Amino acid sequence: DAKTTQPPSMDCAEGRAANLPCNHSTISGNEYVYWYRQIHSQGPQYIIHGLKNNETNEMASLIITEDRKSSTLILPHATLRDTAVYYCIVRVAPLQGGSEKLVFGKGTKLTVNP
Amino acid sequence: DGGITQSPKYLFRKEGQNVTLSCEQNLNHDAMYWYRQDPGQGLRLIYYSQIVNDFQKGDIAEGYSVSREKKESFPLTVTSAQKNPTAFYLCASSLAGTTPTDYEQYFGPGTRLTVT
Repeated sequence: DAKTTQPPSMDCAEGRAANLPCNHSTISGNEYVYWYRQIHSQGPQYIIHGLKNNETNEMASLIITEDRKSSTLILPHATLRDTAVYYCIVRVAPLQGGSEKLVFGKGTKLTVNP
Repeated sequence: DGGITQSPKYLFRKEGQNVTLSCEQNLNHDAMYWYRQDPGQGLRLIYYSQIVNDFQKGDIAEGYSVSREKKESFPLTVTSAQKNPTAFYLCASSLAGTTPTDYEQYFGPGTRLTVT
């Protein structure tokens, strides 16, 4: 089972910031938070990951609360092409050799409206 | 361009037939994965492989088989033993290192399999 909880759907106006919440109250101290998104009928795309500090890259920002029990993915200026399902994933313990098993929940379907 | 390719994009088969889905990557990644996605659901891991000639079962391996004879290729066979094979199948690859960045998985475009 996924170790995260996300709202099933959200709407956002084009050009505005989209703030997607994720609850991961049982996260362990050495587990990272990853975000992926999946545009309809395509493979998931990596967005960002973080441990405890806030992170920013060219796609998004990740805000992790001090107790690490929740996080928020921020798309600063959402466009229509950002309409997708966004998955918040807590990295489970690495498999032998270091490769990772990603556990995907149902995610949040973000709809960006014109 | 580097990336992962899956073919075909759409595949139709009759019940009782085995079918093999292709996955190729030129990212020089050691690890490769197969996931299954059903409508409105998240991804579930079928099989994964960390090195050539080695692979392990994921959460829903029953009715599936894989091979890893080359680093670049990780084909998935959906056998007639799979009770509900109709789904969207996604292949992914990653480095097999120990840093968080190594765990970033790159996904292919997927193959939508329909069995009737």
